[in-house]
Amino acid sequence: EPEVTQTPSHQVTQMGQEVILRCVPISNHLYFYWYRQILGQKVEFLVSFYNNEISEKSEIFDDQFSVERPDGSNFTLKIRSTKLEDSAMYFCASRTGRFRDVSNEAFFGQGTRLTVV
Amino acid sequence: AQSVTQPDIHITVSEGASLELRCNYSYGATPYLFWYVQSPGQGLQLLLKYFSGDTLVQGIKGFEAEFKRSQSSFNLRKPSVHWSDAAEYFCAVGPPLGGYQKVTFGTGTKLQVIP
Repeated sequence: EPEVTQTPSHQVTQMGQEVILRCVPISNHLYFYWYRQILGQKVEFLVSFYNNEISEKSEIFDDQFSVERPDGSNFTLKIRSTKLEDSAMYFCASRTGRFRDVSNEAFFGQGTRLTVV
Repeated sequence: AQSVTQPDIHITVSEGASLELRCNYSYGATPYLFWYVQSPGQGLQLLLKYFSGDTLVQGIKGFEAEFKRSQSSFNLRKPSVHWSDAAEYFCAVGPPLGGYQKVTFGTGTKLQVIP
């Protein structure tokens, strides 16, 4: 069964450093998402991406964050200068998005646990 | 704006007892509805989903959920809980067919199973 793959599974970084979280969505999907889950809290939407541009972003997704689909298969989330409060599990998701596609749910990766020290 | 409410933050049930986790949603159109389960430190696993048709949907691990439009609810049920069901459960609402909008999650219900 196709799946969304995220790497690394765990990343530790120093405050102020840049991090790039990587995701390989399911190959025929059109919509891509990043979510964040701070330990013990709900899963929060960060950004959605379609047709090589951001289609929606939350207030969490400030200028420190950026997303990119550099090569048609990877989907990355960059945090420019990490803060302690960026420590969380980050989930990537993808959907087909095709009109009337009955399998329109979001498929989630296993997450990257980011620890900022 | 879409929203999901899970009124129970924490539920404790005895192994073998029945379970019902509540979920209410708010959405401007007919949404997709989902239940995900998350074990500690793990990712999100889809338990079941509802798009249309029969309002009682069956999922994996013996779970089922019933969509009630009049109550804007999508409660998750299991007739007999196993110790391995201890996890956090998230109800989520997504866009209708073809929409790009995000999936919105509830705050989750943490299930504890006691012997």
